[in-house]
Amino acid sequence: GEQVEQRPPHLSVREGDSAIIICTYTDSATAYFSWYKQEAGAGLQLLMSVLSNVDRKEEQGLTVLLNKKDKRLSLNLTAAHPGDSAVYFCAVSNMGYKLTFGTGTSLLVDP
Amino acid sequence: NAGVIQTPRHKVTGKGQEATLWCEPISGHSAVFWYRQTIVQGLEFLTYFRNQAPIDDSGMPKERFSAQMPNQSHSTLKIQSTQPQDSAVYLCASSFPVNTEVFFGKGTRLTVV
Repeated sequence: GEQVEQRPPHLSVREGDSAIIICTYTDSATAYFSWYKQEAGAGLQLLMSVLSNVDRKEEQGLTVLLNKKDKRLSLNLTAAHPGDSAVYFCAVSNMGYKLTFGTGTSLLVDP
Repeated sequence: NAGVIQTPRHKVTGKGQEATLWCEPISGHSAVFWYRQTIVQGLEFLTYFRNQAPIDDSGMPKERFSAQMPNQSHSTLKIQSTQPQDSAVYLCASSFPVNTEVFFGKGTRLTVV
């Protein structure tokens, strides 16, 4: 089945810096890619999602890049601020419904 | 749009008791999912309904877990004879049909003592 690796497990940046999180997946049939943010004690907040025909998507300080050749998905938070401190998960699907999640990245943004 | 609503937010049960978790998906969403989150296993798929019909329950522990969707506005996850290893956050999610955005509820934290 699909395997998703996410790195780094922990990331600490200063306010205003960029933070980059990377996921690699194994199934070339993977068609749907998404990123979630989870704050302490809360559920999963959908940040962005892309289909396999999209290489790059930018929204509100977030950039998602998809490299299908290398089976790599990345999330770039430009100009991070303390409110971005949370755990981030990538989630992919190759079956049209079942999401396989990465292991999470705990991001700390120091003011 | 209130999003996916899960109740209760927290539940404590004694070992061997039954626990029922409730989910109200986003109105109009035909796909409903249940996931489980633990520190050790991370986020795991449990089961999936489409138009109220069970489609894939491959992630469900077979003996004590069951899920139902009696109508389009709610789904339940029932755990019989709860065990300490069932302690986790149970997340419900919903979406329109395949390969579309999946929205999660805030989860139910189940603690089995």
